[in-house]
This record gives sequence, C-alpha cells and structure tokens, in this order.
Amino acid sequence: EVQLVQSGAEVKKPGESLRISCKDAGYSFVNSWIAWVRQMPGKGLEWMGLIYPGDSDTRYSPSFQGQVTISADKSFSTAYLQWSSLKASDTAMYYCARLVAGFGSYGAFDIWGQGTMVIVSS
Amino acid sequence: EIVLTQSPGTLSLSPGERATLSCRTSQSVSSTYLAWYQQKPGQAPRLLIYGASSRATGIPDRFSGSGSGTDFTLTISRLEPEDFAVYYCQQYGYSPRTFGQGTKLEIK
Repeated sequence: EVQLVQSGAEVKKPGESLRISCKDAGYSFVNSWIAWVRQMPGKGLEWMGLIYPGDSDTRYSPSFQGQVTISADKSFSTAYLQWSSLKASDTAMYYCARLVAGFGSYGAFDIWGQGTMVIVSS
Repeated sequence: EIVLTQSPGTLSLSPGERATLSCRTSQSVSSTYLAWYQQKPGQAPRLLIYGASSRATGIPDRFSGSGSGTDFTLTISRLEPEDFAVYYCQQYGYSPRTFGQGTKLEIK
C-alpha cells in the first residue's frame, strides 16, 4: 500500500531552523514526484513546490522560492521541507503528496501524508 | 498565476440531494490538468477527480467531474452523510500550481 508518513508536530521559536520529513513507506520513491502543500489555520491549500527524488529536480512556487528548501534522500526514501529562520507566519499544517504517475511533474496529488503541524511562537 | 474561483462559498443541502460545485479559472486550463479534492476536518485532502472527469481510485461513482476551458463542475449525484466536507479544485498544468479557495458543503 502506498503511504506517505510525515514527521510529528513541531513547536519552535521565531528565528529557529527546522526540517520536517515525509517518508514513502511503500512505493517507488525515486520514480515519483513529491509535492509540499501549506495550509494555514482555517485557510485553504497552497502549493509550495515539487521534487523528483530520482535526480533531485526541484520546482518552487514563486511565493515560497527563497523561503524554504525542498530536498530528498533516496537512500531513506524521504523528502524534506526545511526553513533556516522561522517566522510566526510559518505557523501552518504542511502536507506532502505524491503526484499521479505517468504525467511527470504535471500530475494531480493522489497520495497525501497525514500532515505536520508547525507552530512558531515566542 | 492562474486564479481559481469556486462557488458557492458554502452550500447547504440535505442527504440524498444533488450537489453542484463550480470552479472558474482566470485563463483557459486544459481539462487534462484540473483536479478536485475533498477535505474533512482534521484530515488530509483526498483526490476525487483528475483530468477534469476521471475518478481517482476508490472514489464512488456518485462523484463526477466535467467542464472545459475556464468552467469546471464537480457533481455529487446523491449526497451521503460522509460527503459533507470542504472541496477544492486545483489546476496542475501551469506553474505555480494553484487551488481554489474551497467550497464548504454543509448539512442543511
């Protein structure tokens, strides 16, 4: 069964760094595009970026370019979302999702992780 | 950036009724790249429809998608109690990928 398992909730202070993870527990990780999606409290979905773990090809939304770093480690079948200096406005639920196979980076998001809640507060 | 506008913002219906949700895009989107998701409180979104009209794996046939160009529709033929949730449309053919703001389907 295809499953994306995300790391647990985080509570951080402004200015701190953070890396959250998304582990593919049952699929061909290197052959799938993985997306990251932000959902701020009570709000809608925002696409942050994509990565192809096979060669680490990465695409960012202009809204998130330079604000976060998306990476992947094939040997651990894990994708990451990283901040170097968190802000209170980064408080949100973050989801990873696998793209439908066969469409390259232009696929719908068919398998979702359970989400990682990040709270940034002084 | 392609903006997706969903209507209505909230739809109040009873189980057994038919639901029609709309998604309008700010410029033409190939139907190949239009999806619908369902999100229940405290849960991750779930893919319902991709390619504007193809049901994702395990999605009941009471869910159907249609449309082309700038106007797309998600129809739920007969509402079941578990269908009351928030629904999002998404275009994934152009960068940045964008979502609509959501339609909340609530029990009347």
